[in-house]
Amino acid sequence: QKEVEQDPGPLSVPEGAIVSLNCTYSNSAFQYFMWYRQYSRKGPELLMYTYSSGNKEDGRFTAQVDKSSKYISLFIRDSQPSDSATYLCAMSRTNNNDMRFGAGTRLTVKP
Amino acid sequence: DVKVTQSSRYLVKRTGEKVFLECVQDMDHENMFWYRQDPGLGLRLIYFSYDVKMKEKGDIPEGYSVSREKKERFSLILESASTNQTSMYLCASNGKANYGYTFGSGTRLTVV
Repeated sequence: QKEVEQDPGPLSVPEGAIVSLNCTYSNSAFQYFMWYRQYSRKGPELLMYTYSSGNKEDGRFTAQVDKSSKYISLFIRDSQPSDSATYLCAMSRTNNNDMRFGAGTRLTVKP
Repeated sequence: DVKVTQSSRYLVKRTGEKVFLECVQDMDHENMFWYRQDPGLGLRLIYFSYDVKMKEKGDIPEGYSVSREKKERFSLILESASTNQTSMYLCASNGKANYGYTFGSGTRLTVV
């Protein structure tokens, strides 16, 4: 079993839709949870960061962590064509050098 | 703007060649990492370094080595390139006070 599981998609939605991206994990020691966005032929960039359980909102993006279920989500409201990218979840025990990544979900938002 | 710079965007090398991938960061970060990214497999950690001249094996170090002679520079070396090392290689860094990693733009390596 992989430490971090993420459905690779692809996921295609119309512009304006609400997008839900999810990851599950097996290591209960994870405390730091992140979402990265990766555009084609670019490196991943940090999008959202959450420590422990709870929600975090930043503009159209909301990150949720449910440690009891070992489940994290990223919601994108009013999705735009510019949101088309691969989204990778990541998590770690410490905020240092032990991050584990999901395989990434490719999202396309159609105008 | 903080940056992680990888020296090449695209490389084509022949089987058996020794290949050097260079990465430089300008953020005075302690930690630097090398990943490879393959479809369906995600990011897999090859090596990381938490200080100058220090290195630690990641999940898939076989066939690779690294060098960190200066804090800002972390090099990945393919001792004898093979076709199964064709991949996207990503360098990343982070500091003790930072959240998450900062990635470079990647080097797409093709071994023929």
